[in-house]
Amino acid sequence: KAGVTQTPRYLIKTRGQQVTLSCSPISGHRSVSWYQQTPGQGLQFLFEYFSETQRNKGNFPGRFSGRQFSNSRSEMNVSTLELGDSALYLCASSLVPGDSRNQPQHFGDGTRLSIL
Amino acid sequence: AKTTQPISMDSYEGQEVNITCSHNNIATNDYITWYQQFPSQGPRFIIQGYKTKVTNEVASLFIPADRKSSTLSLPRVSLSDTAVYYCLVGGTYRDDKIIFGKGTRLHILP
Repeated sequence: KAGVTQTPRYLIKTRGQQVTLSCSPISGHRSVSWYQQTPGQGLQFLFEYFSETQRNKGNFPGRFSGRQFSNSRSEMNVSTLELGDSALYLCASSLVPGDSRNQPQHFGDGTRLSIL
Repeated sequence: AKTTQPISMDSYEGQEVNITCSHNNIATNDYITWYQQFPSQGPRFIIQGYKTKVTNEVASLFIPADRKSSTLSLPRVSLSDTAVYYCLVGGTYRDDKIIFGKGTRLHILP
């Protein structure tokens, strides 16, 4: 079974631009979560989608947004990029048939975003 | 529930490594999950358990009766086990948002 696929793996942007990252979950997984990882802050939760609906959102500004499609694939968008947005962005998928908080998450290898 | 793990640990190849995680406020329905992360990769699920002992092909998880802590045991580690290990409790949410702690940076020496 294929794992979580994130594209692109690397991305370089300049301040003020916007970016869209893509995530394809494991087949059959319906929940997709996004995380930002930086050396200083560690892994921080961005948002979670299930059945095309955002279920939870972390403490990030409105410049960070996402969506999920009917095939469970997800995208996240960051507008008006800032230097501090440089990070590894990780996507994770899980089955959500029951108590989602105990479902192991399966992560992709992330998109490394560098802002110049 | 908030989790507490050692920030870093060193060990030698061939040794057994035990990483303990404290989670005093674990809820009745919460499972305990451990992840491993290598640089520039996403965390990888290692093992999950609810009580007593769980073992798979890579690790064992020991959970005492009060469930206020758990220990991840890695048998006969190798250099490739050098990574960051995260302990998560099902209730590791704040306002329903999953919270990863800082994890334990394990360094295996030759």
